[in-house]
Amino acid sequence: DAGITQSPRHKVTETGTPVTLRCHQTENHRYMYWYRQDPGHGLRLIHYSYGVKDTDKGEVSDGYSVSRSKTEDFLLTLESATSSQTSVYFCAISGATGGPNTEAFFGQGTRLTVV
Amino acid sequence: DAKTTQPPSMDCAEGRAANLPCNHSTISGNEYVYWYRQIHSQGPQYIIHGLKNNETNEMASLIITEDRKSSTLILPHATLRDTAVYYCIVRVANTDKLIFGTGTRLQVFP
Repeated sequence: DAGITQSPRHKVTETGTPVTLRCHQTENHRYMYWYRQDPGHGLRLIHYSYGVKDTDKGEVSDGYSVSRSKTEDFLLTLESATSSQTSVYFCAISGATGGPNTEAFFGQGTRLTVV
Repeated sequence: DAKTTQPPSMDCAEGRAANLPCNHSTISGNEYVYWYRQIHSQGPQYIIHGLKNNETNEMASLIITEDRKSSTLILPHATLRDTAVYYCIVRVANTDKLIFGTGTRLQVFP
């Protein structure tokens, strides 16, 4: 596996609480992504980053924020978790050569349950 | 953003070639076609990508039509371990976004 670590791997939280998921890479890849996957859906892009402090919204960004203060870490924050954010979250990295159009590697996922 | 269309499911006998089609009729000239697969609930796994030429690696072959409006992923000798959801993705030019569709669920049977 590429050097991607997602933490935590599993989390149960209550509605209204803040939650932060962490994606850590040891590959020095430029691009990092957060996706969510729900039953009956493919992966949907939440936010992505194309460099330190450079981020952009994806398809389903409402209710989520991200930060990337250093190359290796990309944080996804749910400011006030809702039951609709119960999902499996995947982090991905790409850009081994610093440019686009390279393969992406995915983490093992974080299963988040909001009760 | 270019969108992709794939059949929701396909079956393939073990040992036979699996041919997975994908339509991407709105693809732009500088957008690459990527294929990933996802086995059970694991993170997606990269398979292959291409721009306009056919590509082959140890996992699969990618055939892209001359007009680039469609492509086919070929698994030459499918095994039971190839049972997975296969995603065809067009990488959005100049943004590096990877937008997934719903994919094709390939079932390889003995």
